[in-house]
Amino acid sequence: EVQLVDSGGGLVQPGGSLRLSCAASGFTFSSYSMSWVRQPPGKGLEWVSYISISGSTIYYTDSVKGRFTISRDNAQNSLYLQMNSLRAEDTAVYYCARVSGSSGYYFSWGQGTLVTVSS
Amino acid sequence: EIVLTQSPATLSLSPGERATLSCRASQSISSYLAWYQQKPGQAPRLLIYDAFNRAIGIPDRFSGSGSGTDFTLTISSLEPEDFGVYYCQQRYNWPPETFGQGTKVEVK
Repeated sequence: EVQLVDSGGGLVQPGGSLRLSCAASGFTFSSYSMSWVRQPPGKGLEWVSYISISGSTIYYTDSVKGRFTISRDNAQNSLYLQMNSLRAEDTAVYYCARVSGSSGYYFSWGQGTLVTVSS
Repeated sequence: EIVLTQSPATLSLSPGERATLSCRASQSISSYLAWYQQKPGQAPRLLIYDAFNRAIGIPDRFSGSGSGTDFTLTISSLEPEDFGVYYCQQRYNWPPETFGQGTKVEVK
C-alpha cells in the first residue's frame, strides 16, 4: 500500500525556519517525482514545489522562491522542504504528493502537516 | 499562469440528486485536467484525470467531460459520502500547475 507520512510542522515566529519531511513507503520512491502542495486554513489548494526523480529538476511557486528548498533522499525514501524566512502567509497545511508518471497528477497524498507562522 | 475558475462556489443538493460542477480555464489546456475531492480534515483524493478518466476505485457515478477551456464533473446520484469540496487542477502548462478555488457540495 502506498503511504506518505508528512511531519515537521509546528508553530514558528515570522522570519523563522522549519524543515518538513515526507516518509514514503509501499512503492519505489526513486521512480517518482514528488511535489509539495499547501492549503491555508479554510482556503484552497496551492502548489508549492516540485522535484524530479533524480533531483535534477526543481520548480517553485514564485512566492517561495529564494526562501524554500525542496530536496529528496532516495536511499531513505524521503522528501524534504526546508522553509526559511517564514511569513504569516505561509501558514497552511502542507501535503507531500506523489506525481504520477508523465501525466503529473497526484494519485497519492500525505496526511498533511500544519505550519503556523505567528508571533 | 493559467487560471481555473470553478462554479458554482456552493452547490446545495439532497442525496440522490445529480450534481454538475464546472471548471473553466483561462486558456486552452487540451484535456490536461483533473478533479479532486476533499473532505474536512483529509487530504484531497484524485477522482478524474485527463478530463474523463476515473482513478482506480472511483465509483462510476463520477464522470468527467470537456476539453479546451470548459470542463464538467458530474455526480449522477449523490451518496452521503460525496458531500465535500471539489477542486479542478490543470497540468497542461506548468510550472506553475494551478488549482481552481473549489466547489463545495453541501447537503440541502
